[in-house]
Amino acid sequence: GQQVMQIPQYQHVQEGEDFTTYCNSSTTLSNIQWYKQRPGGHPVFLIQLVKSGEVKKQKRLTFQFGEAKKNSSLHITATQTTDVGTYFCAGTTSGTYKYIFGTGTRLKVLA
Amino acid sequence: SAVISQKPSRDICQRGTSLTIQCQVDSQVTMMFWYRQQPGQSLTLIATANQGSEATYESGFVIDKFPISRPNLTFSTLTVSNMSPEDSSIYLCSVVDRGTEAFFGQGTRLTVV
Repeated sequence: GQQVMQIPQYQHVQEGEDFTTYCNSSTTLSNIQWYKQRPGGHPVFLIQLVKSGEVKKQKRLTFQFGEAKKNSSLHITATQTTDVGTYFCAGTTSGTYKYIFGTGTRLKVLA
Repeated sequence: SAVISQKPSRDICQRGTSLTIQCQVDSQVTMMFWYRQQPGQSLTLIATANQGSEATYESGFVIDKFPISRPNLTFSTLTVSNMSPEDSSIYLCSVVDRGTEAFFGQGTRLTVV
């Protein structure tokens, strides 16, 4: 079945450092979404990417969808303690609204 | 955006018993899903709750263990049957409307003792 892997599994950074998580799917995706889950919370939607090679920015966050629509990345510039949490990518394939979640990257930011 | 009320928020259950989790949405939505999130892990899709018909289960999940109902476009239940400690997890209801973002309930934290 479809698998979505993320690396790294964990990342500890000093506040102010940059952070990147990578998402790789075993199958071509129709779109990819990113979610953030704070400790004890539920996933919260960040963004959706649909087009091959698409790049979107939200303040310090930059999201990219690969040309082959099988991988994606999330880059955070100058991390803050509020960025702490687990970041999940979630992909869908054509004709379905089922989201298969990636394995997640847990980010810790040290003040 | 859809607002989801999920009940109960947490429960501690004896092994061999069953627990029914409710998911109520404040608007009619096309797609409803049930996920499981084991401690420190990602979300695993259990099934798609289909309105007025049997749910569609993912590999590794069966109706006898996780019966699901969806009587209308705003409500669904997931039952965890004949529970064992391995069923201890967070169960999340999710809805997708108009093919965009997924909204999640607050989750049900289940502990089986």
